[in-house]
Amino acid sequence: RKEVEQDPGPFNVPEGATVAFNCTYSNSASQSFFWYRQDCRKEPKLLMSVYSSGNEDGRFTAQLNRASQYISLLIRDSKLSDSATYLCVVNWNWGKLQFGAGTQVVVTP
Amino acid sequence: DGGITQSPKYLFRKEGQNVTLSCEQNLNHDAMYWYRQDPGQGLRLIYYSQIVNDFQKGDIAEGYSVSREKKESFPLTVTSAQKNPTAFYLCASSSRDSPTSYGYTFGSGTRLTVV
Repeated sequence: RKEVEQDPGPFNVPEGATVAFNCTYSNSASQSFFWYRQDCRKEPKLLMSVYSSGNEDGRFTAQLNRASQYISLLIRDSKLSDSATYLCVVNWNWGKLQFGAGTQVVVTP
Repeated sequence: DGGITQSPKYLFRKEGQNVTLSCEQNLNHDAMYWYRQDPGQGLRLIYYSQIVNDFQKGDIAEGYSVSREKKESFPLTVTSAQKNPTAFYLCASSSRDSPTSYGYTFGSGTRLTVV
C-alpha cells in the first residue's frame, strides 16, 4: 500500500464549475499536510498548507480528516489556469515529505 | 531574488558515464533534498542533508552520491551503477523550522536522459 494515495484522474471540469478530490495517507502520526500544484514538466509549487480546522485560500478549500486519514481539496469557480496536477504531501518525520503521485485536473472552456 | 537554481535543465548521459547535477540555493536554508520523479509516480527521495557536511540516504539512494561542503550547494552525482537513471530530478530546500509549516521550495528541475 502506498503511503500517500491519490486518484490520478483526470478530472475534467467545465470552466466555472467546482471540483473536489481526496488524498489518503497511511501513517497516523503524520503531522503536516500540504497541497502542491505541478504544471506539466515543471517543478511543484506550494498551493496551500492544510490545517486541522480546514482552511480557505480564495477559491481553494482544504480539509483534513484525521480520523479517516484523508485530506481534500476543493476548487470553486474553476479557471482554465487551474489545469494542473495537484500533489498531496504529508510529513511525519522532520524534513521528509511524502508525496502522492498527483491528481490531474483539466478545466475545459 | 532568492531561490534554488538547478543546472543543467536537460542532460544526456551515455551508458557507463557518471554525471553531476548542480543545485544551488541563496535562501539561507539549512536543509536540502534530492527527489526523482518518474511519469505517473510521486516524488521519491534520493538523499537529503540537514546541515553542512552531513547527509542521509533517502528511499532510493542506490546508484547516487551527494556532497554538502557548503550550505548553498548540494550536487547529485548519478553513477553508472544507477541502472535506470532517465527521470526528472528535483532539488528542494527548507529552513530548519519550515518543513512542517511551509513545506519545500523546489528548483526548476533537471531532465536526465540516457542515450
